[in-house]
Amino acid sequence: QMQLQESGPGLAKPSETLSLICTVSGGSMNIYYWSWVRQPPGKGLEWIGYIHDSGITNFNSSLKSRVTMSLDTSKNQFSLKLESVTPADTAVYYCARGGWYMDVWGKGTTLTVSS
Amino acid sequence: EIVLTQSPDTLSLSPGERATLSCRASQSVSSTYLAWYQQKRGQAPRLLIHSASSRATDIPDRFSGSGSGTDFTLTISRLEPEDFAVYYCQRYGGSPGTFGQGTRVEIK
Repeated sequence: QMQLQESGPGLAKPSETLSLICTVSGGSMNIYYWSWVRQPPGKGLEWIGYIHDSGITNFNSSLKSRVTMSLDTSKNQFSLKLESVTPADTAVYYCARGGWYMDVWGKGTTLTVSS
Repeated sequence: EIVLTQSPDTLSLSPGERATLSCRASQSVSSTYLAWYQQKRGQAPRLLIHSASSRATDIPDRFSGSGSGTDFTLTISRLEPEDFAVYYCQRYGGSPGTFGQGTRVEIK
């Protein structure tokens, strides 16, 4: 059974670039799309974007100018970079399998942006 | 951008009762591209329904989805104690893949 695990710094300062990694176990990455979703404290879900091994990406237009995603199937990992973070980027960040609906999720990693 | 509005914000029901949750889109959405998720406190979301009415793997048949166009519904036929949670609808297949604001189903 496929499992996903996010990892990240936990804390970032305003204006820094956030880097998160999702490690995939229990299956091949090649045939799926891979997504990031975030959830600010006490709020709802926000789709960030997805990536496929073919190079296809699609990002939320509200974040597109600050988001980069990459995928390394040799390491069974995919990653999210978010530039110029602000306190508004404080959230739990989830990685998930699927580019449209998401059927396998990681447990999430909390990012706090504070000086 | 398509906006999804869920109603009600909170639904107070007793175990064994029927729950009906609504998701309304600001523009017509293909039923192929509508999903429902359940999220319990402190946990990741869990996919319940995709393509408006197709149950995901291992989802009990008391969960059902329906609707088309701009109006979609998630029905829980008889609430079990573990069903009290927050439910989100999602429109996918476009940018952004929008979520509704969520409906909390709480114990009455």
